Amino acid sequence: DSGVTQTPKHLITATGQRVTLRCSPRSGDLSVYWYQQSLDQGLQFLIQYYNGEERAKGNILERFSAQQFPDLHSELNLSSLELGDSALYFCASSVSGASNSPLHFGNGTRLTVT
Amino acid sequence: GDSVTQMEGPVTLSEEAFLTINCTYTATGYPSLFWYVQYPGEGLQLLLKATKADDKGSNKGFEATYRKETTSFHLEKGSVQVSDSAVYFCALSGPLMNRDDKIIFGKGTRLHILP
Repeated sequence: DSGVTQTPKHLITATGQRVTLRCSPRSGDLSVYWYQQSLDQGLQFLIQYYNGEERAKGNILERFSAQQFPDLHSELNLSSLELGDSALYFCASSVSGASNSPLHFGNGTRLTVT
Repeated sequence: GDSVTQMEGPVTLSEEAFLTINCTYTATGYPSLFWYVQYPGEGLQLLLKATKADDKGSNKGFEATYRKETTSFHLEKGSVQVSDSAVYFCALSGPLMNRDDKIIFGKGTRLHILP
């Protein structure tokens, strides 16, 4: 058990809809990362937060947004969903947010857009 | 830009066989290198890491040596078990002094061990 909790585990929704994915980091970890995993693209970095502030941005679409709250949990919002957004979305956390600090991953949220 | 290239899978071996999964990288400076493992239905877990040239990371019988001269970090295990069946990801990150460095993952290599 990594200590990182993601909800929900599965999400099925229709194109054009909006969903929110939630992540609680491991106790004591200040940094949260969001990744998208799909069969053809592999593991794509979306965005990183550290102690409530955005730290780094990756291949995150404008339709997607995220935030980290004062209690350090994070939410990833996906809107105007398209079929191609179907993927596994992982949250990871680390103690310091330094790039060589190991990441602890949750079990992911599987999003299916129909 | 920085990148990681790992051998394409799937790799299928018999139990007790020797395993090598190749990983090479392109990076400026001196990155830290990692292997992560993803078991079915789970998130990634750190398997081992190395932070400087000639360092050897090891865990659960797996080993990888940071080779700066060949920009490689190949994963090896002397005798694999069925329970090692998983997807293995090679990853790199920038030096500690650059806090904006991202962690970059390879595409993953699926390993399937036959009993």
